[in-house]
Amino acid sequence: QLQLQESGPGLLKPSETLSLTCTVSGASVTSNSAYWGWVRQSPETGLQWIGSIYHSGTTYSNPSLENRLNMFFDTSKSQFSLRLSSVTAADTAIYFCAKLDGSGFTSVFQSWGPGIGVTVS
Amino acid sequence: DVQMTQSPSTLSASVGDRVTITCRASQSISTWLAWYQQKPGKAPKLLISRAFRLASGVSSRFSGSGSGTEFTLTISGLQPDDFATYYCQQYHLSSTFGRGTRVEV
Repeated sequence: QLQLQESGPGLLKPSETLSLTCTVSGASVTSNSAYWGWVRQSPETGLQWIGSIYHSGTTYSNPSLENRLNMFFDTSKSQFSLRLSSVTAADTAIYFCAKLDGSGFTSVFQSWGPGIGVTVS
Repeated sequence: DVQMTQSPSTLSASVGDRVTITCRASQSISTWLAWYQQKPGKAPKLLISRAFRLASGVSSRFSGSGSGTEFTLTISGLQPDDFATYYCQQYHLSSTFGRGTRVEV
């Protein structure tokens, strides 16, 4: 059974870089046609798609975040990661990693991690 | 960006009720629309994709319809486990979510 689990710091200061990792079990992050993504949720902005990464390593980001965002795999650990630079209070949110349904970078999110709360203060 | 507008924002209902939630897109998205259910402290759960396709394991109480700019999620025979917040998501042009509809007792 596919399981995803986010990990990373819960508290950052403004201008720091947020680094989050999603550990996947029950599937290979590099299996064919696999898309993985990040979504965040805050009371102010609701649910927001952050970006997605294809099994090949190709990424596609929300235009509003792409100049601060980097996503990559660590295949040896069955993980994919997010780095968001120059964070501000507006980046305070619950961050979810997820597996997309395989039809594209911005398709439906089939399976989700439980989420991790991140505060910028 | 394609803006997604859900209505109502809150809906009061009772067990057994038939409930309808509407999602409107700011431009046509064909049937590239999904619905999710979220309970407090949990991740969203996929219910429906392509506007009407029930996700695996989801109760047939849930149904979706619509195309273009107007979509509905219907819950037939509301059960206690269905009290939650429901979100629509368009994935035709990038990906954006509605602000949610809370179904409360």
